[in-house]
This record gives sequence, structure tokens and C-alpha cells, in this order.
Amino acid sequence: DTGVSQDPRHKITKRGQNVTFRCDPISEHNRLYWYRQTLGQGPEFLTYFQNEAQLEKSRLLSDRFSAERPKGSFSTLEIQRTEQGDSAMYLCASSIDRDNQFRGGYTFGSGTRLTVV
Amino acid sequence: LAKTTQPISMDSYEGQEVNITCSHNNIATNDYITWYQQFPSQGPRFIIQGYKTKVTNEVASLFIPADRKSSTLSLPRVSLSDTAVYYCLVGRTNSGYALNFGKGTSLLVTP
Repeated sequence: DTGVSQDPRHKITKRGQNVTFRCDPISEHNRLYWYRQTLGQGPEFLTYFQNEAQLEKSRLLSDRFSAERPKGSFSTLEIQRTEQGDSAMYLCASSIDRDNQFRGGYTFGSGTRLTVV
Repeated sequence: LAKTTQPISMDSYEGQEVNITCSHNNIATNDYITWYQQFPSQGPRFIIQGYKTKVTNEVASLFIPADRKSSTLSLPRVSLSDTAVYYCLVGRTNSGYALNFGKGTSLLVTP
């Protein structure tokens, strides 16, 4: 296992189109997180899953955004009707949490850079 | 979530020790303190995590005073490749665990 993989690395789309990103976490990690990062800012939390359950969503996650993790392994993040303000780096991270005790840190992927034109 | 405050930027010369301090006055009993490093166009990378006193690994040391209201990341003998943004995060261990990164500290190492 080489870490967290994200696909694609770059995506350019026209405003109004839908886009979908994929994240493959470290296989034994039960938690998966999506973050968004714009230039000069730190990553902002969007949502996270424990196994296949989506446990928390940020208010940043508008109704145009949807995330799934159908079998508790890979996850997808879809943005419908993209807007120029959606242009950002979308980062996926995973972690292992046992008994609700967080240990260690997140392992991040390299991100998907979205440009909406 | 505990709010953290870090310097926006720091400069250092190669070979020096760099200390980045993070304030987290409302840290909760179950919160851990975690530091990440991020290079441009990459995801953040976990550096070190601690709960109290001192933690050291092959990359850095983390100093946490008894009141835990601040922490200091210490990078010994920095090199040019340590130029990056460093984030301090404080988070709980119960369910609903999600961290926001803040703006971090941009460290520039020069020859």
C-alpha cells in the first residue's frame, strides 16, 4: 500500500458541469476525510466517513456537493453544477481510529486540483 | 474545536534551529496536539503528535507545557527543504472528530 491515492490530479471543467473525484485511502484506515484548500489558506474540512457511514458534514458542503464511500473503502466526491468559486485543491485523507481514540495523524493524498472556467 | 494561533511567517538560515509556537488556550482535556507540514501542490504531511510534556521523533520535537495552552514545534538544523507551511492542530478524541487547519506558519529557509 503506497498511501492515499487521488484521481485525477488535475481537472479543468466548464462552469455548470458536474465533476467527480475519487480517493483510495490506506486499506486498513477506517476513517476517510475530504478537505478543500484554496490558495494561501489551510485545508478546510468538508466531510468525513467512518467505514461507510458519513458522520459529519461541514456547512461548506452545499447541496451541490455529495460524497460517498459505498463499501467503506474508496470514496467519491461529486460537485454538481460547478461554479468558479469551486476552484480549489480537493484533498482526501485517511486515518485509523479505534474505540473513538484518535492516535497518530491523517495521511493525505496529493489532492485533485479543480479549475472551473 | 480548539482555536489555534500561530505566526503567519518565519524566516531562518540553514543550519539553525527553528521553533514555531502555537497557542491553544481553550484546549480540552481529551485533545491531542498535532503538527503537519505542507509543500506546494502536495497534501499536508504528519510530523508529530503529543499530549503533554515532550515528544521527539526523527524529524522534530514537540514541547507542551503543563497547562497545555500552547505548544512549540522545534526543527533542529533546518535545511532549504524544510521551507514549507507548518500547521498546528488541536482535536478531540471522541466521535465527531474533524480538524480545521487554520492558515499555518509559512517557514522560509535561506542559505
